[in-house]
Amino acid sequence: QVQLKESGPGLVQPSQTLSLTCTVSGFSLTSNSVHWVRQPPGKGLEWVGAIWSGGSTDYNSALKSRLSISRDTSKSQVFLKMNSLQTEDTAIYFCTSNWDYWGQGVMVTVSS
Amino acid sequence: DIQVTQSPSFLSASVGDRVTINCKTSQNINRYLNWYRQKLGEAPKLLIYGANSLQTGIPSRFSGSGSGTDFTLTISSLQPEDVATYFCLQHDSWPNTFGAGTKLELK
Repeated sequence: QVQLKESGPGLVQPSQTLSLTCTVSGFSLTSNSVHWVRQPPGKGLEWVGAIWSGGSTDYNSALKSRLSISRDTSKSQVFLKMNSLQTEDTAIYFCTSNWDYWGQGVMVTVSS
Repeated sequence: DIQVTQSPSFLSASVGDRVTINCKTSQNINRYLNWYRQKLGEAPKLLIYGANSLQTGIPSRFSGSGSGTDFTLTISSLQPEDVATYFCLQHDSWPNTFGAGTKLELK
């Protein structure tokens, strides 16, 4: 069955770079898009960006200058890198395939 | 960006009650709206896609309706396992945007 699992550091220092991995199974990254979504504590969901089945990417315009999404299709992994992290980037980060299936998310706290 | 206004934010209901949750969008999105259930610590689960299509494996007590700018998720007979947060997603226009969520509790 389709599964997605996010992994990454739980704590990142301000101004540092966040690196997250979404490992998928049950489908091919060359057939389905993968989106990243985040949810700050007590707030709503925000679309972060996406990598499409063809490998092209789209980013939230507010985050675009700090964000990079890539993939390794041989490992069924999608990567999110966000630099210059601030406390406002503290959130649960989810990956989702085609908006159908979601991972359970990974909590990222930006703090010194 | 399309704004999605979800209501109510909190809902308390009894087992067996009919429950409705609403999402209103700032522009016509046809039927490009999904509904999800999110339990604490779990992955969000797709319930309804295309405004009114039931995802495979989801109980028939869940239904969706609406088109254009006004949408409704209905639980026909609330069960204890339905306690969760529910949210909608519009995927008609980029960036795709979400409702703020409805926390559903048992009375």
